[in-house]
Amino acid sequence: KAGVTQTPRYLIKTRGQQVTLSCSPISGHRSVSWYQQTPGQGLQFLFEYFSETQRNKGNFPGRFSGRQFSNSRSEMNVSTLELGDSALYLCASSHGLAGGLAYNEQFFGPGTRLTVL
Amino acid sequence: GENVEQHPSTLSVQEGDSAVIKCTYSDSASNYFPWYKQELGKGPQLIIDIRSNVGEKKDQRIAVTLNKTAKHFSLHITETQPEDSAVYFCAASNRTPLVFGKGTRLSVIA
Repeated sequence: KAGVTQTPRYLIKTRGQQVTLSCSPISGHRSVSWYQQTPGQGLQFLFEYFSETQRNKGNFPGRFSGRQFSNSRSEMNVSTLELGDSALYLCASSHGLAGGLAYNEQFFGPGTRLTVL
Repeated sequence: GENVEQHPSTLSVQEGDSAVIKCTYSDSASNYFPWYKQELGKGPQLIIDIRSNVGEKKDQRIAVTLNKTAKHFSLHITETQPEDSAVYFCAASNRTPLVFGKGTRLSVIA
């Protein structure tokens, strides 16, 4: 079974620009979560999508947004980029079925390394 | 909300020795505790997890123990090998997003 894929793997942008990152979950998984990883803050949760609906949201400003398509693929967008947005953005997929034993099991992609200059 | 503390932040062991990483959590409702291994340039890889109805789980050289009363859980790696060198993260959740510890950089010295 193919794993989680993320594109692009690397991005360089300048302040004020916007960026869109893409994630394709494991086949059959309906939940996609996004995390930001930085050396100082570690792994921080951005949001989770399940069946095209945002199910959970972390403490990030409104410049960070996402969506999920009917095939479970997800995109996240960051507008008006700031230097502090430089990070590794990770996508994780899971079955996401409430009450199921596999509910929480999340599998990560390789990440997109975003550098903001 | 949930808060996860992880210790130590760095750990060096001789090849063949054991390594132990400890985590504490604050939310007594958390019931799922995974461990991830992250190698340079890669995303975190799920290596083992434990649920609150189990006290210990083992998979070859790795094991995880959970003490719900004390709200702490630990990762044990026996007979360490150079390829075990990586950053290890613990996490906790209860039908909510995973909350991660800050990570432990494990170095296995040959």
